[in-house]
Amino acid sequence: GAGVSQSPSNKVTEKGKDVELRCDPISGHTALYWYRQRLGQGLEFLIYFQGNSAPDKSGLPSDRFSAERTGESVSTLTIQRTQQEDSAVYLCASSPVAGGFDNEQFFGPGTRLTVL
Amino acid sequence: DAKTTQPNSMESNEEEPVHLPCNHSTISGTDYIHWYRQLPSQGPEYVIHGLTSNVNNRMASLAIAEDRKSSTLILHRATLRDAAVYYCILRDVRAISGGSNYKLTFGKGTLLTVNP
Repeated sequence: GAGVSQSPSNKVTEKGKDVELRCDPISGHTALYWYRQRLGQGLEFLIYFQGNSAPDKSGLPSDRFSAERTGESVSTLTIQRTQQEDSAVYLCASSPVAGGFDNEQFFGPGTRLTVL
Repeated sequence: DAKTTQPNSMESNEEEPVHLPCNHSTISGTDYIHWYRQLPSQGPEYVIHGLTSNVNNRMASLAIAEDRKSSTLILHRATLRDAAVYYCILRDVRAISGGSNYKLTFGKGTLLTVNP
């Protein structure tokens, strides 16, 4: 079946511009997560959605970052007034349900963002 | 958050077993031990998880120490496709009103190199 997809796969932008990154989770998955991975580093948690609500936004680095999810499906991560330190791979993951301590997360291939 | 410690890198030969260690001395009684791996230029993928007992699946085995302060991921016969960064993760569960947070907290992991 189809996995998690993300678009675009690569995005190059100029400092100060806004960017939108899209995530299509696995159909029927109620939980959705965004992570960021800087070059040579592990993943940093950004935000978590349960359905269309975001109970945990604790990882968003600044108010330039925002995310939404609609129809319990597609999610968009928006970065306003991009800075060079925003350059990273942005990864989206989804999981079937919110319950249970052993819920596996399925990751997409990521969007590589480069801010010049 | 309970933390994990892993070697930065390990090397193995093809078709030989690989034992990837992880220390988690501050693990709490309800923390699950998860392993994910990230192949080059891909998002992470789930490998295995456990709580107290050793676990086996088609990808690997997980051996958990009796005091749960360490664990070992075992690849029984390494292949070139197993070359990846392996992350040992304690499930960071935080109860939030109306639901639970299931974010994964990634460290730097162990870079496994498999020699032909």
